[in-house]
Amino acid sequence: KQEVTQIPAALSVPEGENLVLNCSFTDSAIYNLQWFRQDPGKGLTSLLLIQSSQREQTSGRLNASLDKSSGRSTLYIAASQPGDSATYLCAQVMEYGNKLVFGAGTILRVKS
Amino acid sequence: GAGVSQSPRYKVAKRGQDVALRCDPISGHVSLFWYQQALGQGPEFLTYFQNEAQLDKSGLPSDRFFAERPEGSVSTLKIQRTQQEDSAVYLCASSGRGRERNEQYFGPGTRLTVT
Repeated sequence: KQEVTQIPAALSVPEGENLVLNCSFTDSAIYNLQWFRQDPGKGLTSLLLIQSSQREQTSGRLNASLDKSSGRSTLYIAASQPGDSATYLCAQVMEYGNKLVFGAGTILRVKS
Repeated sequence: GAGVSQSPRYKVAKRGQDVALRCDPISGHVSLFWYQQALGQGPEFLTYFQNEAQLDKSGLPSDRFFAERPEGSVSTLKIQRTQQEDSAVYLCASSGRGRERNEQYFGPGTRLTVT
């Protein structure tokens, strides 16, 4: 069974701090890895998608890496802001166009 | 164009009632997914359509859950004889063709509360 684990479950940091969210998956035959943001009561917003042939993707202050051999992905957030407060979810896709398998998420709070 | 929309946004049902949740995917998107998200958990896959064909329903938790997409566009998730454990947010996502098939776009979800 495919399993995705996210650590830590919750994180509280002061504004301006750089931080790393971790995601691990059990099956190295991954097709792609996607990071999402979820605000309370809202749906999911895609942040970054890394295909299995890639090692990282960057968008603004966000950088996501993928290491298939170790079964890990990290989301790096630079210079965190209170507006970054949300739940961050990682998800893996095993086959092209198929279902996403999610972790339980990391709840991030950035204090001003 | 518009994103994925879902209705109703909130639904309260008494135990034993039937409910129907609607998803309008992004126009032209071939694939449609339903997920269930319990409080404090990540979404879990329920079922997947490619056009009108239901290709994977392995995540449906019981035979009380039924999904359809008769014309390959709008989809309905039906839950019969609701139970308290069905309380969750139900998320719908769609994806396109070719390279766009990689990425799923999510709707805001329907929060179902069974009392």
